[in-house]
Amino acid sequence: EVQLVESGGGLVQPGGSLRLSCAASGFTFRNYAMNWVRQAPGKGLEWVSGVSASDGSTYYADSVKGRFTISRDNSKNTLYLQMNSLRAEDTAVYYCAKGPRSVIGYYFDYWGQGTLVTVSS
Amino acid sequence: EIVMTQSPATLSASPGERAILSCRTSHSVATNLAWYLQKPGQAPRLLIYGSSTRATGIPARFSGSGSGTEFFLTISSLQSEDFGIYCCQQYNNWPPITFGPGTKVDIK
Repeated sequence: EVQLVESGGGLVQPGGSLRLSCAASGFTFRNYAMNWVRQAPGKGLEWVSGVSASDGSTYYADSVKGRFTISRDNSKNTLYLQMNSLRAEDTAVYYCAKGPRSVIGYYFDYWGQGTLVTVSS
Repeated sequence: EIVMTQSPATLSASPGERAILSCRTSHSVATNLAWYLQKPGQAPRLLIYGSSTRATGIPARFSGSGSGTEFFLTISSLQSEDFGIYCCQQYNNWPPITFGPGTKVDIK
């Protein structure tokens, strides 16, 4: 059974940093692209970032480019999102989402339950 | 960036009724479109990908159609467990991958 478990969310002040983790199990992690998708309170879904499995290429939404960094550790079956220079508008539930292929640019076939990030003073 | 719109914003229907949800994209996405159902407090669940292919374990009452810029999700006979927000997503032109704003389905 595929499982994705996010952690690392919490309350942080504007300008602060946070690192999210997503522990994966139930599939061969190193073979699949992985993504972060967020959802602000009462709002729709927004793709944040993705990392391919094939060559480790990374992609970002313009809203987080230069502030967030996605990475993966295939030896630990874990996906990360380093978030710096956080803003109030980054407040959201952050979901880890698996792609069906080794490259980015597909739908998301499995999702974690999400971790809440609140940016407030 | 591909902009997504969905209609209606809210749909109220009785169990057993047929529901048709619409998703439109600002530019053609061929058939690179997926549908998700999100229930309150839960993560989205993949229903349809490739415009018309049901994901693993999704009942046959869910069907998807369309190509280019206009897509539909049909629920042939609504069940009480089908309430929630239905969201479409395009993955043809990226980054960014984009989502529609959602259609909320209420069961009468």
